[in-house]
Amino acid sequence: EAGVAQSPRYKIIEKRQSVAFWCNPISGHATLYWYQQILGQGPKLLIQFQNNGVVDDSQLPKDRFSAERLKGVDSTLKIQPAKLEDSAVYLCASSLGTSSARGGRFSNEQFFGPGTRLTVL
Amino acid sequence: QQPVQSPQAVILREGEDAVINCSSSKALYSVHWYRQKHGEAPVFLMILLKGGEQKGHEKISASFNEKKQQSSLYLTASQLSYSGTYFCGTPWGAGGYNKLIFGAGTRLAVHP
Repeated sequence: EAGVAQSPRYKIIEKRQSVAFWCNPISGHATLYWYQQILGQGPKLLIQFQNNGVVDDSQLPKDRFSAERLKGVDSTLKIQPAKLEDSAVYLCASSLGTSSARGGRFSNEQFFGPGTRLTVL
Repeated sequence: QQPVQSPQAVILREGEDAVINCSSSKALYSVHWYRQKHGEAPVFLMILLKGGEQKGHEKISASFNEKKQQSSLYLTASQLSYSGTYFCGTPWGAGGYNKLIFGAGTRLAVHP
């Protein structure tokens, strides 16, 4: 079974430029996540999709970040304009998941892609 | 609220044991554990569910203490391949939509 695919693997841009990342989740996975991982920290959720709908984007800096998953399969995350502090690894993950039926409990593991390492100069 | 992991870093020799803790200030229904090797993506290890039994993966096991709102990861007879950063993730927000907030990680280095 193919894993989560991401491209590009590396990107170097100057501040104020724009950049886009692409993710193709595991086939059949309804839930797709974009995380930002700054060096030395844990992944931070930016946005979560359930099929082609957004279920959470509360931590997405919407003035500069946008994401879409138009057909409920692959997804694109865009940054425009980029800032120095956006330098990080951007991880895409997917899971079978739907919301749990039992009091907030859930058990779906997340499968991560290799990530895109973004450097903003 | 981000879970708190301890210790921040551990250095072991092959064959030694280690315990990594993950604590939350909020009631927990589940705790997810992931391992990330340098330059790679996080890989799922196990999920501990409220009321569930202790889980295991290779010689790595974990427990979940609901009352103390914490989980512990036990690495027994460590191998070189165990080196990496271990993250715990706990659910947050409403709706139960698989949203996780991850701790800052515990860096584990296993030496020959």
